Amino acid sequence: DIQLTQSPSFLSASVGDRVTITCRASQGISSDLAWYQQKPGKAPKLLIYAASTLQSGVPSRFSGSGSGTEFTLTISSLQPEDFATYYCQQFREFGQGTKVEIK
Amino acid sequence: EVQLVESGGGLVQPGGSLRLSCAASGLTVSSNYMSWVRQAPGKGLEWVSVIYSGGSAYYADSVKGRFTISRDNSKNTVYLQMNSLRAEDTAVYYCARDQASAGTGNWFDPWGQGTLVTVSS
Repeated sequence: DIQLTQSPSFLSASVGDRVTITCRASQGISSDLAWYQQKPGKAPKLLIYAASTLQSGVPSRFSGSGSGTEFTLTISSLQPEDFATYYCQQFREFGQGTKVEIK
Repeated sequence: EVQLVESGGGLVQPGGSLRLSCAASGLTVSSNYMSWVRQAPGKGLEWVSVIYSGGSAYYADSVKGRFTISRDNSKNTVYLQMNSLRAEDTAVYYCARDQASAGTGNWFDPWGQGTLVTVSS
């Protein structure tokens, strides 16, 4: 089975910061990766699929890149509503999550 | 608007059973792959089961032999029958459309609001 490892597990950032989250796969997965945002008490929300395709309605400050084994989710300018936990996903596996908190 | 609404969660004793429902609107469950994903308290996301449009079903090793996914096309609803429940099955259970595309993998969208299952004596 493919394992997904996110880094960091936790990050503290300020409004306006550029934030990058990494997801590494234990073997090559082409561009078969999605990213989700989850706020406390809410269901996950799809942000990006196929590694870099922005889901309809998601703000353009979110972007995804990568292929093979290394992928990144970037938030170009962190907004107050972006403080949440982010997960990567490939097939039936999820990363362990990255919690983004206010500095 | 596509909407998924889960129900059926609650408190159950170890060894007991529960059936979760996921009622869909704005999409036809029989034409889609539909998955259940769970999240234990304070933990990450864990895929549980999927039913394909053709009817094939697959399970995570942690629930294989205890859980059964099914659907009722007339009610446009997906179910998760959970038997022999254990404390470690305690989680919020979400249903989600499992969208797959050739060459680009799969992703889950949309998700329901979730239903909490607590297994405790």
